[in-house]
Amino acid sequence: KQEVTQIPAALSVPEGENLVLNCSFTDSAIYNLQWFRQDPGKGLTSLLLIQSSQREQTSGRLNASLDKSSGRSTLYIAASQPGDSATYLCAVPYSGNTPLVFGKGTRLSVIA
Amino acid sequence: DTAVSQTPKYLVTQMGNDKSIKCEQNLGHDTMYWYKQDSKKFLKIMFSYNNKELIINETVPNRFSPKSPDKAHLNLHINSLELGDSAVYFCASSQDSSRNRQFFGPGTRLTVL
Repeated sequence: KQEVTQIPAALSVPEGENLVLNCSFTDSAIYNLQWFRQDPGKGLTSLLLIQSSQREQTSGRLNASLDKSSGRSTLYIAASQPGDSATYLCAVPYSGNTPLVFGKGTRLSVIA
Repeated sequence: DTAVSQTPKYLVTQMGNDKSIKCEQNLGHDTMYWYKQDSKKFLKIMFSYNNKELIINETVPNRFSPKSPDKAHLNLHINSLELGDSAVYFCASSQDSSRNRQFFGPGTRLTVL
């Protein structure tokens, strides 16, 4: 059974810092890994999807990497801004045509 | 235009009542999902439908019954509501399966008194 863990659970940084969020999963037989952002009281917004054959994906100041064999992914946020404050979740489909298994998220606060 | 919409946004009801939450997506996706996010913010799949057919039914009480009248809609009906059903329920959709990006609705906050 797939389990997804995210570390740290919460993170507070000053504006302008670069930061890394971590995600690990127990079963490396994944099809892809997705990173989402959730703002308080809102739904999830898909940020990046990395296929299992890829090693990284970039979107603006966000860069996600995937090391399938070690069961790890990182989300790198460059030059953080207060508007980046949110909860970041990673999720993987654990086998075949199956739904996503989510981590518990990292709650990020960027202080101006 | 909202890609995935849910109604209502808030739902407050008494124990034992029956309620429904509606979901619609205008993305032309084939697959739709219902997730539950509990008080600890943990998000867990409940159901998945592909082309109006149920393909995933996780360990969910049979008081919860999804209904998909067409590909663009997936409604969730809950019978005999219990206190433990209080949570935020999210609808989502994707093009084919969970191999593709999922797009989420804004959520429905259900409070059972």
